[in-house]
Amino acid sequence: KNQVEQSPQSLIILEGKNCTLQCNYTVSPFSNLRWYKQDTGRGPVSLTIMTFSENTKSNGRYTATLDADTKQSSLHITASQLSDSASYICVVTVLRGTYKYIFGTGTRLKVLA
Amino acid sequence: DVKVTQSSRYLVKRTGEKVFLECVQDMDHENMFWYRQDPGLGLRLIYFSYDVKMKEKGDIPEGYSVSREKKERFSLILESASTNQTSMYLCASEENKLGRTDTQYFGPGTRLTVL
Repeated sequence: KNQVEQSPQSLIILEGKNCTLQCNYTVSPFSNLRWYKQDTGRGPVSLTIMTFSENTKSNGRYTATLDADTKQSSLHITASQLSDSASYICVVTVLRGTYKYIFGTGTRLKVLA
Repeated sequence: DVKVTQSSRYLVKRTGEKVFLECVQDMDHENMFWYRQDPGLGLRLIYFSYDVKMKEKGDIPEGYSVSREKKERFSLILESASTNQTSMYLCASEENKLGRTDTQYFGPGTRLTVL
């Protein structure tokens, strides 16, 4: 069964600290993996997208890694800011004929001053 | 910048009413999607469309229908709203590059409450 699991479910950190969010997937055949940021009451916004051959991609203070062998991805946030408080969603694309997106349930991050 | 707009941010309807949620994108994207998002469940696909007048069922199409008469507009219809359809509804669009997909762009969402 195609699944995407994220951990932790929620996380609280102090402003300026780093954190890492995890995404494990059991999806086949894999096409790409995306990380989205979703502010409360808003639609998700894309942070990164990685294909099978890419193992790291950065977007400002956000760095995503992908290990296609172990089917794991992480999103590392450096020097967190209050505006990083949001849910972070991992999405894996399955490509079998047509494509299908498998969404994780997200990690809710709270950054405190 | 890609812009995806949804007709309402908040909507309150009564059980049995017919509800229309509209989504418009301004980037000439081929693919458009309707999701619902509930706490602890993540986004679930209701319907998607890869071209005008084309639609395909997603994972949870029961109780919903869609319409895509123009490329930029994708409507979600609740034929007879029920309380279990209270949810956040998100529309998304994406470009279809020779069968490969790229980033999905989401609208701001419509929080629907059915009383």
